[in-house]
Amino acid sequence: QQQVKQSPQSLIVQKGGISIINCAYENTAFDYFPWYQQFPGKGPALLIAIRPDVSEKKEGRFTISFNKSAKQFSLHIMDSQPGDSATYFCAASWDTGGGNKLTFGTGTQLKVEL
Amino acid sequence: NAGVTQTPKFQVLKTGQSMTLQCAQDMNHNSMYWYRQDPGMGLRLIYYSASEGTTDKGEVPNGYNVSRLNKREFSLRLESAAPSQTSVYFCASSDTGRLYNSPLHFGNGTRLTVT
Repeated sequence: QQQVKQSPQSLIVQKGGISIINCAYENTAFDYFPWYQQFPGKGPALLIAIRPDVSEKKEGRFTISFNKSAKQFSLHIMDSQPGDSATYFCAASWDTGGGNKLTFGTGTQLKVEL
Repeated sequence: NAGVTQTPKFQVLKTGQSMTLQCAQDMNHNSMYWYRQDPGMGLRLIYYSASEGTTDKGEVPNGYNVSRLNKREFSLRLESAAPSQTSVYFCASSDTGRLYNSPLHFGNGTRLTVT
């Protein structure tokens, strides 16, 4: 099954707080797990990504935690800022033999309040 | 550097009308993709082209056709539009299609309404 389940659907966090978005998958053939950030009226843009051979990846205030045995991964946004208000999509990729396909979660609308 | 350019930005169609969504990338990427985005459903792959001259179906190809015109351009055609095709359509490209070292670059979308 090429599905990724994402939660929560929406999230409100106070400025300076930690935002946490969770995703789960079933297909063990997935080999790449990116997170995309999307602002209104724009296309998604790659935020951060991880391969399943590591348990954590950090880039600035953004961290992916990956639990291979539980088939779950999450995005943590530390010191959340109003400028982080956007829709976030987790995704998972698998190799078709002729390249990778990407399947997306349903998205989380994050609002960071002052 | 424009990246991925989609035209038009907005379109309203009546049921049964046809139209072509255009996509062009200036990054010399080999792979190109068409996604649709619907509320609560994330992005779903319609068609993709791993390289010039090849196309393949994604998750939701019914009602659509594609043409990889050349390395730069990948168009999506709706032959007989239906209200269920009301959506935001995104084109994306990747250098190699190996997404862990060549991530997707998205355009800003075409917002299509079918009445």
